[in-house]
Amino acid sequence: EIMLTQSPGTLSLSPGERATLSCRASQSVSSSHIAWYQQKPGQAPRLLIYSASSRATGIPDRFSGSGSGTDFTLTISRLEPEDFAVYYCQQYSFGEDWRTFGQGTKVEIK
Amino acid sequence: QVQLQESGPGLVRPSETLSLTCTVSGGSISPYYWSWIRQPPGKGLEWIGYLYYTGSTYYNPSFKSRVTISLDTSKNQFSLKLSSVTAVDTAVYYCARGGPRGVVDYWGQGTLVTVSS
Repeated sequence: EIMLTQSPGTLSLSPGERATLSCRASQSVSSSHIAWYQQKPGQAPRLLIYSASSRATGIPDRFSGSGSGTDFTLTISRLEPEDFAVYYCQQYSFGEDWRTFGQGTKVEIK
Repeated sequence: QVQLQESGPGLVRPSETLSLTCTVSGGSISPYYWSWIRQPPGKGLEWIGYLYYTGSTYYNPSFKSRVTISLDTSKNQFSLKLSSVTAVDTAVYYCARGGPRGVVDYWGQGTLVTVSS
């Protein structure tokens, strides 16, 4: 079973700063089948990125994804007040796995 | 715009069955996968199970034989039943479009289900 480890657990930054979130897989993720979701308090997750680097519909271009193999990154180029949230990565490469989400990274206001 | 809405009791007694329904509007049930995902308070996301629009179902082994997911295409709805609940089943339950073999592109708003006597 593939395991996803997100780091750091919490990222304390100020509006306007750059955020770099990591998602590391215990095995290589084929075809870069990695997605990123944003979850604000009291809300459902929202799809941000799929296929490691493709933005979902309506997602601002300050969000970008990169990586391949076992190491993936979500970058928020300049944090807006509405970007402070929890971010989850998900792998969808391994057909039999059920633990497909990482544990999350919280981006909080410094 | 596809929208999903969960409905069902917010309080369930221990040992009873949790029942939720998800109504899909603004789009068709086919040809997609549809999932139930839960999130205990302050914790991460956990798949419960999912179904294909054909009615084929797939369940997380962690829930063993407690879970049933079904589809009513005439009403554009799918449902979750989780039996023999305990306090550890207290969570926000989300219905969603997609499954663990793909991305989840639409989510319901979530409904908090508390298991308590």
